[in-house]
Amino acid sequence: EADIYQTPRYLVIGTGKKITLECSQTMGHDKMYWYQQDPGMELHLIHYSYGVNSTEKGDLSSESTVSRIRTEHFPLTLESARPSHTSQYLCASSEYFEPDTQYFGPGTRLTVL
Amino acid sequence: QQQVKQSPQSLIVQKGGISIINCAYENTAFDYFPWYQQFPGKGPALLIAIRPDVSEKKEGRFTISFNKSAKQFSLHIMDSQPGDSATYFCAAGVETSGSRLTFGEGTQLTVNP
Repeated sequence: EADIYQTPRYLVIGTGKKITLECSQTMGHDKMYWYQQDPGMELHLIHYSYGVNSTEKGDLSSESTVSRIRTEHFPLTLESARPSHTSQYLCASSEYFEPDTQYFGPGTRLTVL
Repeated sequence: QQQVKQSPQSLIVQKGGISIINCAYENTAFDYFPWYQQFPGKGPALLIAIRPDVSEKKEGRFTISFNKSAKQFSLHIMDSQPGDSATYFCAAGVETSGSRLTFGEGTQLTVNP
C-alpha cells in the first residue's frame, strides 16, 4: 500500500484566505503531482515535479503555486482563495526510473465560501 | 496534445453482468496502459495494467483487452458486483524515465443489486 498523505482531508474557508494543502510521501519517489478533480469527474493535472527544486505547471491553468524543497514534501498554496477554487485536490507520486505508476493520496476536499 | 479518449462517461450494469469500458489513444509511442479505480472520497488506485506485447491480461474478474493496430484498449469486469461501483480511469504512458501518464476522462460505473 502506498504511503502518501494529504492534510487536511476537508477544509472550509472564506474568500480571500491564504491556504496551503500538504502532501507528503515516504516512498522516496522523485515525481509528484497535483490534480484537481470534481467528485467522480476527470482528473486535471495542475502541477508536477520531477525532483527537488523542480516544478512545472500542468495541463490545467491554476492560480495555485507549489514548491519542492524536500523530496517527500510537495505543498500546494492558494494565496487568495475564491469560490471557483472549490474542488477536490489529489496528490500523487511515482518513481522516476519506472513506468509512471502513480500512487494517489486520499485527497483534500476544499470548499471556499 | 497527447490524448486518451474514454467511453462511456457513465455506465449502469446489473449485478452479475459484464461491464465494458473503452479507451482510444493517438500517440503510437505509448507503451504502458494502466487502469485506475476510484471509490467516492478516495484517491484513484492502480487496478491493472498492460503493455503492448500482449493482447490481453486478466486478474480475477478484471480483464484488459488491447488492440495495438486500432490503438484501443478496454476494461472488462466480469460478474460485476455492487462493490465494483466506482469511477474508472484508463491511462497511457511511455515506459521511459521521466515520462508521465495521460489519463482518460473517467467512467462512473454503477452496479445495481
